[in-house]
Amino acid sequence: NAGVTQTPKFRILKIGQSMTLQCTQDMNHNYMYWYRQDPGMGLKLIYYSVGAGITDKGEVPNGYNVSRSTTEDFPLRLELAAPSQTSVYFCASTLTSGTSGGRRILFEQFFGPGTRLTVL
Amino acid sequence: ILNVEQSPQSLHVQEGDSTNFTCSFPSSNFYALHWYRWETAKSPEALFVMTLNGDEKKKGRISATLNTKEGYSYLYIKGSQPEDSATYLCAPQTGANNLFFGTGTRLTVIP
Repeated sequence: NAGVTQTPKFRILKIGQSMTLQCTQDMNHNYMYWYRQDPGMGLKLIYYSVGAGITDKGEVPNGYNVSRSTTEDFPLRLELAAPSQTSVYFCASTLTSGTSGGRRILFEQFFGPGTRLTVL
Repeated sequence: ILNVEQSPQSLHVQEGDSTNFTCSFPSSNFYALHWYRWETAKSPEALFVMTLNGDEKKKGRISATLNTKEGYSYLYIKGSQPEDSATYLCAPQTGANNLFFGTGTRLTVIP
């Protein structure tokens, strides 16, 4: 198993350009996530998906779009790159468990290696 | 936005020392509490997923406890080694679909 893979590893964009960050997992996980990591700010959730065809906004979705046409792939698109989107982007995936006390519990998340994006 | 606090923000310990960190989170609507270890230039890796009040988990020299009634979890490292140097993140699950990550405790173990 390759786990969670992300491409590219690094990218420099000019303001206003667009690009797609790719994320693929081969673990047949139903849940997938995109996070950004800003210094001193931890991981912020951008978008997530609970299965193919279903996506939802996280904490910081503005300026991004996602799609989930297959279980394996969850690309993140930046339409008009801005300097504020300079960050390290992590994709993650997980399975959901059965329930604990009537609630669905998320298993551990598996993270990709990250994409370092700079917007100048 | 969830108020997840981790303390201390950073600490330095000598090799062989034992140490512990705290994660505080809202006790309402609790599903689970995750702990992750994040080494520099790598990706976060899961340590524990804890669900029940009073839960205790252990992996080698690292252990964690959970108090869901008062909304906190402790992570302990016994006999710290240089390879334990990393940022330790906690992330409560307070809804059906996602986690909310704290900013982490950065541990440096001095040989």
